[in-house]
Amino acid sequence: EAGVAQSPRYKIIEKRQSVAFWCNPISGHATLYWYQQILGQGPKLLIQFQNNGVVDDSQLPKDRFSAERLKGVDSTLKIQPAKLEDSAVYLCASISRDRDNEQFFGPGTRLTVL
Amino acid sequence: AQSVTQPDIHITVSEGASLELRCNYSYGATPYLFWYVQSPGQGLQLLLKYFSGDTLVQGIKGFEAEFKRSQSSFNLRKPSVHWSDAAEYFCAVGASGSARQLTFGSGTQLTVLP
Repeated sequence: EAGVAQSPRYKIIEKRQSVAFWCNPISGHATLYWYQQILGQGPKLLIQFQNNGVVDDSQLPKDRFSAERLKGVDSTLKIQPAKLEDSAVYLCASISRDRDNEQFFGPGTRLTVL
Repeated sequence: AQSVTQPDIHITVSEGASLELRCNYSYGATPYLFWYVQSPGQGLQLLLKYFSGDTLVQGIKGFEAEFKRSQSSFNLRKPSVHWSDAAEYFCAVGASGSARQLTFGSGTQLTVLP
């Protein structure tokens, strides 16, 4: 089966600009996650979707970050305006309803904010 | 709230030597525990997981881990390391006894010397 797809793989922007990341999970996976991984740290959950609904966005900085999953399939994460501290790798993961034991991760988008 | 500590930021071993990566967790109930590996520019790949039962779990690529409740540990081991094992390794604990929300440690970078 195809894996989790993410694009772009790399993005460089200046602070105060906006940026968007796209994720297409594995077909049939109802739950989708966005993680932020700062250099030298483990991934930190930003938001969790179940189909097209938000399950948990308690760690999403909502003043500048937003995410949507309109049709319950692919998802977009947006940052507006970006800050220097947003430089990180943004990982998308998905999990199936049946295989409740493994999150499958995409390759990530590396964001550099100058 | 759950937490994971990986006390070793960086470990260097020679090819063919044995390996043990440490992981300590904090969680009030029976934890779901995971080890993931991340190669440069790649997403996270699951090595193994513990949910219940036998406390010694086998994973892919010759890795194993042992769950020790009394020590709140889930250390990863491999008897003979290969150069291709050089990567970053993350231990994670599942919230609410599931894989649906993971808390990751800060990772251990493994370098393998020829």
